[in-house]
Formats: sequence, structure tokens, C-alpha cells
Amino acid sequence: KNEVEQSPQNLTAQEGEFITINCSYSVGISALHWLQQHPGGGIVSLFMLSSGKKKHGRLIATINIQEKHSSLHITASHPRDSAVYICAVKGGGSNYKLTFGKGTLLTVNP
Amino acid sequence: NAGVTQTPKFQVLKTGQSMTLQCAQDMNHNSMYWYRQDPGMGLRLIYYSASEGTTDKGEVPNGYNVSRLNKREFSLRLESAAPSQTSVYFCASSEQDYLQYFGPGTRLLVL
Repeated sequence: KNEVEQSPQNLTAQEGEFITINCSYSVGISALHWLQQHPGGGIVSLFMLSSGKKKHGRLIATINIQEKHSSLHITASHPRDSAVYICAVKGGGSNYKLTFGKGTLLTVNP
Repeated sequence: NAGVTQTPKFQVLKTGQSMTLQCAQDMNHNSMYWYRQDPGMGLRLIYYSASEGTTDKGEVPNGYNVSRLNKREFSLRLESAAPSQTSVYFCASSEQDYLQYFGPGTRLLVL
């Protein structure tokens, strides 16, 4: 079973700061997902990536397959970015199962 | 488009009662999933359906059953609820194994 570790568990930032959330996993994967869970509980998928880098607005996700590590960056952070960010990995093959990390709680203060 | 919808939003059950959580998606996705989320733990897969007519166990299937009624609908049944099943339940769907789209969740309390 793949172990997924996220760091930090909690992160507090000031508006405008550059944010980095890290995700490490123990076994080779075919894809890695980043999700956002809003304070109200809703979950939104942000990215799925298997190599390199993806960007959407102020969010950037990178993955290093050799090092079994991914990062989620938020540029020019804003209080509305306050949420739990969750990393999840998918093993190889046709198995659709994801293994989730416990999440990183981000609070951005004005 | 409504995306993924779940009913009910909240439910309180007594130990031993049964109930069915309903999930529907209007994105024509083949794959659907049921997860539970508990404090201090990551989302855990209960059951999933890779395509209409197929279902498979996930990480924590005990105490649950599922039905993939058609391509749109995937229900989760608790036959005899236990306090350990108190949780928030999320349904999700995806096209094959791409990005998953989540429903708003069902908060279940079993007394």
C-alpha cells in the first residue's frame, strides 16, 4: 500500500505570500492528484499529473517521479485560498483506486 | 449541469437501522466512487464502479453494499448501521481515471 505524507500539516501565511505544500509517496505511481477542500466541506479536484508541471491561474503543481515527490505552489496567496489541500496517488495498472494524504490546512490572513 | 448530487445532506440513524445514500452524476462519466472521511484520516475508498454493471471493493467495504443502478446513479447502502459508520460520505465520478468530481457530501451520525 502506498503511503502518502504531506507537509506541513498546518500552514499560516499572510496575504500575498508564496505558498508551498509538499507531498511524498513511498511506491511508484502512475498519477498524482491535488484536491482542495473548502471550509464548508466541498472537494474540488485541482490537478492530475504524471510528470513535469501544470499551472492553472495562481496554482502550480510539480512532480518529480524519481524522488517520489510533488509540490503545490500558490502565488500571491489570498484569504480565499484558505482550505485543506489534499494529495492523492494512483498506482499503475487499470486500478482506479486513489490513496489520499491527510491534507494540509492552509490559512491565509489578510 | 448539476455535476454530482448526493442525498440526503444530513442523516441521524440509530444503531441497527438501515439507509441508502443516493448519488447521481450528469457528466456521462463511466467511473463512480464512494468515500468516507473521518477526522485525522485521509479520504478512504469504500467501493467503486469502473463502469456500468461493475463494482469493486475499496479499502473499507465492510458494512456497506453498493448498486450501480445505471450509468448515472451509484447508491451506497448501510444494512445495519453502527456508530463506527459515523462519518462524512462523498460520492465522486470521473471519466476513466482522470480528474474526479465530488458531490457535496452526506453527514451521517449513528447513535
